[in-house]
Amino acid sequence: GIQVEQSPPDLILQEGANSTLRCNFSDSVNNLQWFHQNPWGQLINLFYIPSGTKQNGRLSATTVATERYSLLYISSSQTTDSGVYFCAVERIWDNYGQNFVFGPGTRLSVLP
Amino acid sequence: DAGVTQSPTHLIKTRGQHVTLRCSPISGHKSVSWYQQVLGQGPQFIFQYYEKEERGRGNFPDRFSARQFPNYSSELNVNALLLGDSALYLCASRPGTRLLLYGYTFGSGTRLTVV
Repeated sequence: GIQVEQSPPDLILQEGANSTLRCNFSDSVNNLQWFHQNPWGQLINLFYIPSGTKQNGRLSATTVATERYSLLYISSSQTTDSGVYFCAVERIWDNYGQNFVFGPGTRLSVLP
Repeated sequence: DAGVTQSPTHLIKTRGQHVTLRCSPISGHKSVSWYQQVLGQGPQFIFQYYEKEERGRGNFPDRFSARQFPNYSSELNVNALLLGDSALYLCASRPGTRLLLYGYTFGSGTRLTVV
C-alpha cells in the first residue's frame, strides 16, 4: 500500500519563528489533506490540497503531486500552534470508495 | 451548523466485552468513515460507508463491524474487546460527491479504554 512519511518527527520552536513541515508519499494520490490535532484529540482540517498552493492566514501549503510531496508552512508561530500535524493522502478505488492514509505526524511545540 | 458529533466521548470497558460507538455526520453528508488512532500514531482507516453501503474496509479483524442508517448516522461495533483496542476512535464525514471537491471533517472522537 501507499506509504506516507513526514518530517521532522518533532519540532520545537520559539514563538514568532517560522517552520516548514514536509510530507512525502510513495505513489500517486487523488487528494491530500493537512490536519492539526490539538491536545484534546480534535483533528482540525487545515488544507484540502491535491495540488498547487493555498494560504490561510499564517499558514500555507504547497503540493507537487508529480513529485509526490507536500509542504506546510507556518509563519510567526504562536503557542496555540502546538500539537501534532498530520498529512493524509487519499486513494480512490471506485467512484465512491475512499480511504485516507495518514502519515506518522510532526509534533510541534511552540515555546513562549 | 453542527459538526460531526460522536458519542460517548469517553468509555471504559473490560476485556471480552462489546462496545458500540456512534457518529452523526454533518447535515447533508452522505459518506462516513471510521478511523482508529492508537496513542502516538496516525489514524488508521477502519470502514467507509456511503449511502448506507460499506464502500471500504481497512485491515481490521471481523470483531469490528459498522453500519450506516437512513439518516446517514453510523455505528461502529467492536466485539470481544482486547487491551489493544484501547484507542481514540474517530468518525469523519464528507458530502460524498463524485467530484470530491471537499475534504473530510472529523469529529472529536471517542476515547476507548479497555482494562
